[in-house]
Amino acid sequence: DTEVTQTPKHLVMGMTNKKSLKCEQHMGHRAMYWYKQKAKKPPELMFVYSYEKLSINESVPSRFSPECPNSSLLNLHLHALQPEDSALYLCASSRGVQSNEKLFFGSGTQLSVL
Amino acid sequence: KNQVEQSPQSLIILEGKNCTLQCNYTVSPFSNLRWYKQDTGRGPVSLTIMTFSENTKSNGRYTATLDADTKQSSLHITASQLSDSASYICVVRVRGGYNKLIFGAGTRLAVHP
Repeated sequence: DTEVTQTPKHLVMGMTNKKSLKCEQHMGHRAMYWYKQKAKKPPELMFVYSYEKLSINESVPSRFSPECPNSSLLNLHLHALQPEDSALYLCASSRGVQSNEKLFFGSGTQLSVL
Repeated sequence: KNQVEQSPQSLIILEGKNCTLQCNYTVSPFSNLRWYKQDTGRGPVSLTIMTFSENTKSNGRYTATLDADTKQSSLHITASQLSDSASYICVVRVRGGYNKLIFGAGTRLAVHP
C-alpha cells in the first residue's frame, strides 16, 4: 500500500462552520505534512509532524488546527475560515524527514469557503 | 533567497512528440532536486529524485538531468502521450533540518492528439 488517502475529496463550508479534513497512510511513515495549494500555484507548507509531534508550523493562522492522533492519521480542524482559505489541501507523508525521503502526496481535499 | 524557477510556464505539443522542461534554482545548501507530475485537482506524484552527484535519472519516458555547477535541471519527455497532460513541478530540498522543499511554479503541459 503506497497510498495517502484524504477525505473528503470536496468540501463546501460556511465561514461559521467547523469541519475536519482527514488523512491516512499505512506505509509506516513517521513524518506527515499539510500543504495548501491555490489554483495555478505551487503547494505551500503549513505543518510538519514527525513521530506524531508537531515540529513545524509555518505561521499558519489559528483557525487551522492540526492533530496527529497516531502514526497513521493526520487531521486538520477548520473553524471560522475565510473565503480566501478556499484551496486544495494536500496531505503528504514520508518515512522520516531525512534528506532523500520521497514524499507521497494524497489527492487532496478541494475546499470552498462561502 | 531560495528560489526555483521553471520555464516555459505552459507548453502545447502534439501526441508522439518530445519536449524538454527547464528548471533553474538558487537554493543553498542544496540537498536534492525532485520532479513531480500533478494532474489537475490531484496531489503531486514523484517522478525522480536526484542528488548532487547524479547527472541523469530516468523513469520510463521521463529523463531528468541535473547540472549542479550551473544549478539547472531539465525534464525530457519522450514520445508524449495524452496522459502526460499535467503540471510538472521542479522541487529542491534544502539540506539540513526537516524536509524543507522549495517548489517551482510548474510547467503546464498539454498534449494534443
